[in-house]
Amino acid sequence: KAGVTQTPRYLIKTRGQQVTLSCSPISGHRSVSWYQQTPGQGLQFLFEYFSETQRNKGNFPGRFSGRQFSNSRSEMNVSTLELGDSALYLCASSLAPRAAEAFFGQGTRLTVV
Amino acid sequence: ELKVEQNPLFLSMQEGKNYTIYCNYSTTSDRLYWYRQDPGKSLESLFVLLSNGAVKQEGRLMASLDTKARLSTLHITAAVHDLSATYFCAEQGAQKLVFGQGTRLTINP
Repeated sequence: KAGVTQTPRYLIKTRGQQVTLSCSPISGHRSVSWYQQTPGQGLQFLFEYFSETQRNKGNFPGRFSGRQFSNSRSEMNVSTLELGDSALYLCASSLAPRAAEAFFGQGTRLTVV
Repeated sequence: ELKVEQNPLFLSMQEGKNYTIYCNYSTTSDRLYWYRQDPGKSLESLFVLLSNGAVKQEGRLMASLDTKARLSTLHITAAVHDLSATYFCAEQGAQKLVFGQGTRLTINP
């Protein structure tokens, strides 16, 4: 059974650019959540999607957005990149919101220069 | 606001010793998770604790949950070098997982 797949694994972008990250959940899982991990702030919740609908959003500026497709794959987009957006972005896959267990992908390491 | 606090944040111990990581959380949630993260890697699920008094064990790791005290513990027995990693606890909030700061565990030969 394939796990959670995030692409790309590594990304280097320049300030002001935008970036799109992708997450393919485990087959049959319909809920995808995104988290940002930085040394200073730790792991922080970005969004949760279920059945193509954003259910919840964390305390991040509007530059951070996302969506989910009918096959449950999810993308997140960050526009007008800032140096502080450099982080490991993790997505978590679960059967449904508040399911007993969530499985994390390998993450995308974004570096903004 | 949900808050999860772990202690200690850094732990250096010798192989063969026992130690406990503590996780205090702020709500009456009955669901608590423990994850392991190796440097540069993702989060690996270790335990899901679903009710008061739950105790789970896997190898040298044992986790427990006391919902009345809002406390979970991760106990390491006879530590080995391979257990060196950062360990996170996370509380299931209404809308999201809320993570502790992580405990960086280093086990020395």
